[in-house]
Amino acid sequence: EADIYQTPRYLVIGTGKKITLECSQTMGHDKMYWYQQDPGMELHLIHYSYGVNSTEKGDLSSESTVSRIRTEHFPLTLESARPSHTSQYLCASLGGVGETQYFGPGTRLLVL
Amino acid sequence: DQQVKQNSPSLSVQEGRISILNCDYTNSMFDYFLWYKKYPAEGPTFLISISSIKDKNEDGRFTVFLNKSAKHLSLHIVPSQPGDSAVYFCAAKKGGSNYKLTFGKGTLLTVNP
Repeated sequence: EADIYQTPRYLVIGTGKKITLECSQTMGHDKMYWYQQDPGMELHLIHYSYGVNSTEKGDLSSESTVSRIRTEHFPLTLESARPSHTSQYLCASLGGVGETQYFGPGTRLLVL
Repeated sequence: DQQVKQNSPSLSVQEGRISILNCDYTNSMFDYFLWYKKYPAEGPTFLISISSIKDKNEDGRFTVFLNKSAKHLSLHIVPSQPGDSAVYFCAAKKGGSNYKLTFGKGTLLTVNP
């Protein structure tokens, strides 16, 4: 099982602020993912990366951006937060020969 | 268009009884299926998975059944415990080098003492 860390766990911020959600894993996994989830809804893939300097947009369009400069680190940035960005953001990684993605604890974002 | 459907938003069972959570999918390209458990304000925790070449996989109190012809899978929890109360997500992956998961909307399981 992967050790995946996300910070902050909770964030309340005003409209227009720039925010970065951190995600890191210690297992050396190449594949990492960002999902967005609202209560009662499915997890929607918004970004993924299959290795350093590789990032792709997911199935759900998002105004956020990501970077992958180091294997263990996959931060997500919102340049100008809006109330519509209020959601839970979940980071996951996958490695080895398995097919299972392992998730971090998530960040609950509230934009006022 | 939802490719993975969990049609029961909630399920309530008594402690000690069996919990059966259902999941249907529409895409015949899916070849690997997973169940995750999620508590509020936490990330999903992997429970059990099954490959499309199998029809059953068991791990302790958890068993997943796959019916490919019906495009249906189910998660059985026996016996159910109050600590099993959570939202359960079904997820599916397409074959080949596609490493993305498609999730259902989840089913809230409540196990009453």
